[in-house]
Amino acid sequence: DGGITQSPKYLFRKEGQNVTLSCEQNLNHDAMYWYRQDPGQGLRLIYYSQIVNDFQKGDIAEGYSVSREKKESFPLTVTSAQKNPTAFYLCASSNRGSSSYEQYFGPGTRLTVT
Amino acid sequence: GENVEQHPSTLSVQEGDSAVIKCTYSDSASNYFPWYKQELGKGPQLIIDIRSNVGEKKDQRIAVTLNKTAKHFSLHITETQPEDSAVYFCAASMRNNDMRFGAGTRLTVKP
Repeated sequence: DGGITQSPKYLFRKEGQNVTLSCEQNLNHDAMYWYRQDPGQGLRLIYYSQIVNDFQKGDIAEGYSVSREKKESFPLTVTSAQKNPTAFYLCASSNRGSSSYEQYFGPGTRLTVT
Repeated sequence: GENVEQHPSTLSVQEGDSAVIKCTYSDSASNYFPWYKQELGKGPQLIIDIRSNVGEKKDQRIAVTLNKTAKHFSLHITETQPEDSAVYFCAASMRNNDMRFGAGTRLTVKP
């Protein structure tokens, strides 16, 4: 059963703590993405990775970090430097081919920082 | 960069009626336009997409139209059902790493 998994579904942290969100895919996709979703807004790109060991900043990368050590995994760390970390985080993946732009999304992780 | 605007932000229709959601984009180089449906607490699911070399695409009760000259595209849902209730997002892209999303439309289908 192919797809993207994100864990956990809900995450609670105290302010000042770093937290890492998991994203795994078994679709054999080269590209992976992290988006942030806030109420009433579209998805905003945090980071993306086109291949293993390479990643690029998106529009709102400040306060976040990622790694891409394996093709299947693209974890996102929300650092204490992120000023407003409470949000719904979505991971996605896609093929890299020039005609294959379709992105497949995971179920999301809702992070609450108090 | 690309900017996508989506209207309306909320839409309420009676079961069986049609629903239309409209999006405009700013970058004429965009060539891929997907529509996603997001149910509460879940990730978005692709429901239909269209590329710039096509003006219209239909899949059962769902259709998308694209006007490249005016730089707008629309989602049409006919014979709406309560299970169509969700948030719908449009997006525009010219390459994998640059997909821009609209702010979303919350569709409510009243039984």
